[in-house]
Amino acid sequence: GENVEQHPSTLSVQEGDSAVIKCTYSDSASNYFPWYKQELGKRPQLIIDIRSNVGEKKDQRIAVTLNKTAKHFSLHITETQPEDSAVYFCAASIERTYKYIFGTGTRLKVLA
Amino acid sequence: DAGVIQSPRHEVTEMGQEVTLRCKPISGHDYLFWYRQTMMRGLELLIYFNNNVPIDDSGMPEDRFSAKMPNASFSTLKIQPSEPRDSAVYFCASSYPLTGPARNEQFFGPGTRLTVL
Repeated sequence: GENVEQHPSTLSVQEGDSAVIKCTYSDSASNYFPWYKQELGKRPQLIIDIRSNVGEKKDQRIAVTLNKTAKHFSLHITETQPEDSAVYFCAASIERTYKYIFGTGTRLKVLA
Repeated sequence: DAGVIQSPRHEVTEMGQEVTLRCKPISGHDYLFWYRQTMMRGLELLIYFNNNVPIDDSGMPEDRFSAKMPNASFSTLKIQPSEPRDSAVYFCASSYPLTGPARNEQFFGPGTRLTVL
């Protein structure tokens, strides 16, 4: 069945450094890839997304890249700040079904 | 809009009791999703609806779980009988499809933290 693998499960970086989270999906029909941020005790919230017809998208300090051939997509956070500390989930959306398959999450800790 | 509304926010019950979780999606959204979140299994999709009709319930763990959507503004997730392993945070999310290329942001509710003793 459909599967999304996410690595690493935990990531600690020094404030100001960059963080990279990687995901791999299995279903080649997937064409929408959102990233959600979940702060402790809060709901997941969309931070950035990318469609399959785009290779890269950037929004201030965050960017997402997509390699359709390899079925890989990644989240890049530059100049990390303590408020970036959270759990990040990637997901792949299966075409015409509108449902997400979520990755297992990455707990990011930004050390001051 | 107030966003997705869930109730109760916290529920503590004893094993064997019936539990009902409630969700009000964002007005105008056509899709409603129920997720379960645990440390061990992450975010699991249980079931989702389109225009009040269940589309995929393959994530529902077993017959003790049931979900309904009697109208566009209300859905319930029921567990009967509840067991300690059902303890988790249950999220409801809603979304709507835009025309053109697929893009469907899901908006999550605040979640219901369920503890089964």
